[in-house]
Amino acid sequence: DIQMTQSPVSLSASLEEIVTVTCKASQDIDSYLSWYQQKPGKSPQLLIYDATNLAAGVPSRFSGSRSGTQFSLKISRPQVDDSGIYYCLQSYSTPWTFGGGTRLE
Amino acid sequence: QVQMKETGPGLVQRTQTLSVTCTVSGFSLASYGVHWVRQAPGKGLEWMGVIWGDGNTNYNSALRSRLIISRDTSKSQVFLTMNSLQTDDTAVYHCATGSFWYVVDGWGQGTSVTVSS
Repeated sequence: DIQMTQSPVSLSASLEEIVTVTCKASQDIDSYLSWYQQKPGKSPQLLIYDATNLAAGVPSRFSGSRSGTQFSLKISRPQVDDSGIYYCLQSYSTPWTFGGGTRLE
Repeated sequence: QVQMKETGPGLVQRTQTLSVTCTVSGFSLASYGVHWVRQAPGKGLEWMGVIWGDGNTNYNSALRSRLIISRDTSKSQVFLTMNSLQTDDTAVYHCATGSFWYVVDGWGQGTSVTVSS
């Protein structure tokens, strides 16, 4: 199975900085990587797919990038509403696997 | 508009079998896959498995021996059946689908299942 190592586990951010969350795949997954935001008591919401494509309706302050097997989610000037837990998901091969999650405050 | 809703038993006894139904609307099960994802209290997301539009299935390696995903396309329903439940199977169980085969962008609200000892 492909392992997705996500970091950091948690972070707090100010409204002026750039927040970066990283996922590293244990093997090549091409660009089959998506990012999700989950708020308490809610279902996850898709933010980014194909590693870099913004999902419909997602603010442009969210962006995704890829360097080999390392993937990053960036939030520029995070808003209070961006608090939640962020997960990456690889869909290159089954079984699909999630990263462990990053809590953003 | 894609809609998905899970219905489950709420409480299941340890060693018993869990059955959860996902009822969908807005798309055809013959054309799109449906995934099951669960989340234990205070834990992360765990991909459980999928039934694809062609009816083929794939499962989480750790759950494969206990899990069956099936469907009734005429009723727009997908079924999760998992046997030999343990207390660490206590979780919210979600069904989900995607506009493309490699992404999940439509989720049900989830159904909470507690395994009682």
